[in-house]
Amino acid sequence: DAGVIQSPRHEVTEMGQEVTLRCKPISGHDYLFWYRQTMMRGLELLIYFNNNVPIDDSGMPEDRFSAKMPNASFSTLKIQPSEPRDSAVYFCASSSPAQPQHFGDGTRLSIL
Amino acid sequence: QKEVEQNSGPLSVPEGAIASLNCTYSDRGSQSFFWYRQYSGKSPELIMFIYSNGDKEDGRFTAQLNKASQYVSLLIRDSQPSDSATYLCAVNGGKLIFGQGTELSVKP
Repeated sequence: DAGVIQSPRHEVTEMGQEVTLRCKPISGHDYLFWYRQTMMRGLELLIYFNNNVPIDDSGMPEDRFSAKMPNASFSTLKIQPSEPRDSAVYFCASSSPAQPQHFGDGTRLSIL
Repeated sequence: QKEVEQNSGPLSVPEGAIASLNCTYSDRGSQSFFWYRQYSGKSPELIMFIYSNGDKEDGRFTAQLNKASQYVSLLIRDSQPSDSATYLCAVNGGKLIFGQGTELSVKP
């Protein structure tokens, strides 16, 4: 079975540019999560969706960050404009209700 | 106080020894508890979950939960060099909160 699929795996861009990260959850999973991981702050939950509806976006750091889930098989996390401090590994995870989360391979983002 | 606390390590144990990883949490309403393993440059991988007080064993891994003390631990028996990784404790009290992780190094 395919796991959570994220793209791109690596992204290097200059500050001020728009960045779009993509995620395809495991088929049948109702929940989708976006995390950011840095050495300083560890793994932080940014936002999660249930049945394509955003439930908790309290972890989204600023208005520069936005996330959408237009259908059950696709989600995006956008950063506009990007800043060097946004450099991190961004993970997407999905799960069924009350079940453990399964993580994608992550997107390593570097903002120059 | 952080919601989920772990010693950052590194924790170094010799091959074949028992590695003990500890985690405390602040939300008494937390219902489910998870241990993830993360190799360097890789994504977190679920290795154990526990919902009830007591011990839960799966192969060389044992998760222990004490809700009264707000404490969860992971024991790894017969540690192998391939167990060298960062171990993340995660607690679900409505949403999943991760600790900073404990780096484990198993020396041959």
